[in-house]
Amino acid sequence: DAGITQSPRHKVTETGTPVTLRCHQTENHRYMYWYRQDPGHGLRLIHYSYGVKDTDKGEVSDGYSVSRSKTEDFLLTLESATSSQTSVYFCAISGEGGRAEQYFGPGTRLTVT
Amino acid sequence: GIQVEQSPPDLILQEGANSTLRCNFSDSVNNLQWFHQNPWGQLINLFYIPSGTKQNGRLSATTVATERYSLLYISSSQTTDSGVYFCAVEAGSYQLTFGKGTKLSVIP
Repeated sequence: DAGITQSPRHKVTETGTPVTLRCHQTENHRYMYWYRQDPGHGLRLIHYSYGVKDTDKGEVSDGYSVSRSKTEDFLLTLESATSSQTSVYFCAISGEGGRAEQYFGPGTRLTVT
Repeated sequence: GIQVEQSPPDLILQEGANSTLRCNFSDSVNNLQWFHQNPWGQLINLFYIPSGTKQNGRLSATTVATERYSLLYISSSQTTDSGVYFCAVEAGSYQLTFGKGTKLSVIP
């Protein structure tokens, strides 16, 4: 299994509070991704990174920001959490972007009350 | 953007039966992957298969890129095969687009 961890694994927070989710990899892969998974929607890309300090938006990026200061860490921040951001968040890594296998972390279940 | 459709949306099998899951996509792709999400939520990469056929144990996959579809075969199904199977494609943006999945339930 690829060495990918996510923290926290579960979080409950209140509307309007900031939240940061962390993804850590030990594979030295260049590409990292954040997805959200919701019933009826499958997995949707929020943001991705193609190198340190290099990031781009995905399909559902509104309300989210990301940062990558080290190869191994990719942070997802909800600036002011809303109930519509209640979801399961997955981090993934890949050696060559969309043209290679992606490997997923265990996920973070976030509930915004 | 590219559209990915999976069928059937739900499938119930008796243990030992075989099944075929289908993934249709609306444009040519550079990459196609199949994933299994187990009942505990973990996503496992099954196949990286932009074209051709691959086999891994009881599972095999075939992608016919010119006709824009891929098939995942599960033979002699086991209860541990239960979960959701996702197809995902990349069509030039270095981003994967996922289908909505096929939920498989294998009953003893």
